[in-house]
Amino acid sequence: GENVEQHPSTLSVQEGDSAVIKCTYSDSASNYFPWYKQELGKRPQLIIDIRSNVGEKKDQRIAVTLNKTAKHFSLHITETQPEDSAVYFCAAGGFQKLVFGTGTRLLVSP
Amino acid sequence: GAGVSQSPSNKVTEKGKDVELRCDPISGHTALYWYRQSLGQGLEFLIYFQGNSAPDKSGLPSDRFSAERTGGSVSTLTIQRTQQEDSAVYLCASSLHTEAFFGQGTRLTVV
Repeated sequence: GENVEQHPSTLSVQEGDSAVIKCTYSDSASNYFPWYKQELGKRPQLIIDIRSNVGEKKDQRIAVTLNKTAKHFSLHITETQPEDSAVYFCAAGGFQKLVFGTGTRLLVSP
Repeated sequence: GAGVSQSPSNKVTEKGKDVELRCDPISGHTALYWYRQSLGQGLEFLIYFQGNSAPDKSGLPSDRFSAERTGGSVSTLTIQRTQQEDSAVYLCASSLHTEAFFGQGTRLTVV
């Protein structure tokens, strides 16, 4: 089955810096790669996703890149703000079970 | 409904008692997941239902844990003979093919 690894587990940046979170997956059949943000005490919510026929997708300050050959994908947040502080989860799947990474705690200091 | 609904929101139970947690998925969603999240930790996969297929129970931590999904809709997670280490937030999610939508979770405290 699918196995997703996520790094780093914690990430501290200064406001305005960029943050990058990386994930690898094992099942070449996976074709859907979402990223979720979980704020303290809240449920995880989708912030951006990418499908396997696309290499990069951007939405304002966030972007996701996908390298299907290497089986890895990354989340990029530019111009970080304190409200970006949260736990971020990557996931891989498609028509089969969605498998989540272990999460990255991002702390953005003012 | 508008989203995934879980009940109760909070549950305090005595060690050794059985508990049932309920999840109402988004109407029409064929996939349903249960996760456990301890304080400050990641999402621990418990069980996955997909349509009429046999559920993937590979994440259930012990035989005290079981789950059902009746009529392809509502799901119930049952924990028998609860232990203190079962204390956590239990999250349910549903999806049709891609995006998974999470419920607000049930915070279980075993005293």
